[in-house]
Amino acid sequence: IAGITQAPTSQILAAGRRMTLRCTQDMRHNAMYWYRQDLGLGLRLIHYSNTAGTTGKGEVPDGYSVSRANTDDFPLTLASAVPSQTSVYFCASSELVGSYNEQFFGPGTRLTVL
Amino acid sequence: GQNIDQPTEMTATEGAIVQINCTYQTSGFNGLFWYQQHAGEAPTFLSYNVLDGLEEKGRFSSFLSRSKGYSYLLLKELQMKDSASYLCAPMDSNYQLIWGAGTKLIIKP
Repeated sequence: IAGITQAPTSQILAAGRRMTLRCTQDMRHNAMYWYRQDLGLGLRLIHYSNTAGTTGKGEVPDGYSVSRANTDDFPLTLASAVPSQTSVYFCASSELVGSYNEQFFGPGTRLTVL
Repeated sequence: GQNIDQPTEMTATEGAIVQINCTYQTSGFNGLFWYQQHAGEAPTFLSYNVLDGLEEKGRFSSFLSRSKGYSYLLLKELQMKDSASYLCAPMDSNYQLIWGAGTKLIIKP
């Protein structure tokens, strides 16, 4: 593994189903993030984790949950998917040190909820 | 509230120079990032400014004025591969990046 990987690459999901998007990084970054990106809108932060064992809510957390059991993995779960969760999801990580927070992004997961 | 303003789309000619402006209002400020995003791909880091002034990196330069809440990205000697979206992202007092919607840059031969 080099950098950040996400799985699956794309997924079509029926409304009401549960879905977990996977994210793994091998850079030993302490901070990780989940964003969604919709046409015409900026990246919107869903949840973040500044260090293993801690998580925080971003701008649009409703309908999503995360866990950070170790440094490398940061899965995002949709408990009961709805069509408004159709989006491209990006996971990112950073070595959050002081005031510098350059974020490195995974390739994204394109999710369609029908 | 927090707000980022960038032009939605710009068009420029191969070999020319283009300036993409960004104005921002954030809760606190800890620097500003510019990212490039090609269609269907992930954003990638271009530049970071924390002090006022110009940072030059090859064909790309980025400028920051903290007092005006203003930044720009300057792209010189445009190439077709520069066709992409350019995302302005200031960092707030919690060290979170606040993302603009991006400027889609179209390069014409």
